[in-house]
Amino acid sequence: DIVVTQSPDSLAVSLGERATINCKSSQSVLNSSTNKKHLAWYQKKPGQPPKLLIYWASTRESGVPDRFIASGSETDFTLTITSLQAEDVAVYYCQQYCNLPRSFGQGTKVEIK
Amino acid sequence: QGQLEQSGAEVKKPGASVTVSCKASGYTFTDYHMHWVRQAPGQGLEWIGWIYPKTGATYYAPKFQGRVTLTRETSLSTAYMELTSLTSDDTAMYYCTKETWHFGLWGRGTRVTVSS
Repeated sequence: DIVVTQSPDSLAVSLGERATINCKSSQSVLNSSTNKKHLAWYQKKPGQPPKLLIYWASTRESGVPDRFIASGSETDFTLTITSLQAEDVAVYYCQQYCNLPRSFGQGTKVEIK
Repeated sequence: QGQLEQSGAEVKKPGASVTVSCKASGYTFTDYHMHWVRQAPGQGLEWIGWIYPKTGATYYAPKFQGRVTLTRETSLSTAYMELTSLTSDDTAMYYCTKETWHFGLWGRGTRVTVSS
């Protein structure tokens, strides 16, 4: 099974500053049949379902602000919020969809400093 | 993209079973895997399993194997998740989500509370 680990568990960033979240998978999530990295990022706010932000490791979902930027190798990934806004306060999860069982990171809580 | 409408909140006693439904609309129900994910209070997202509505094929996370059953009724475009032998650890919000490789469409969740 692929284990997905995020760091840090939480971070506090001033408004307008950069927030960076890391995600590491225990195995490569590069799928040989698609030649794509099967990793997604979700934003979770209280009382709401998760919201897809990023898929294929770096493709922004339609409607997601361009301050959300993601990148990564086959096992190490980063989600950056380039200029934190108040509405970005949430828990962020990465998730691999390369293998079964699917797995999520433990989440990173982003707060305003 | 579509919509996923989940059934209402449930309160169950320990040892009981619960069934949550997820009605799909706005897309062809049988063409996409339906996954189930839960979030216990103060905890992260936990993947439960999937069902492929066209064939009824299922896959369950090892943690839930033997205790969860995913089914579907194609005429109603509805997926179901049954979880048995409930304990307080099963108190959580349960979500269904449509797979297009990733999870772009989610239901609003069904709160399941297990309490004596």
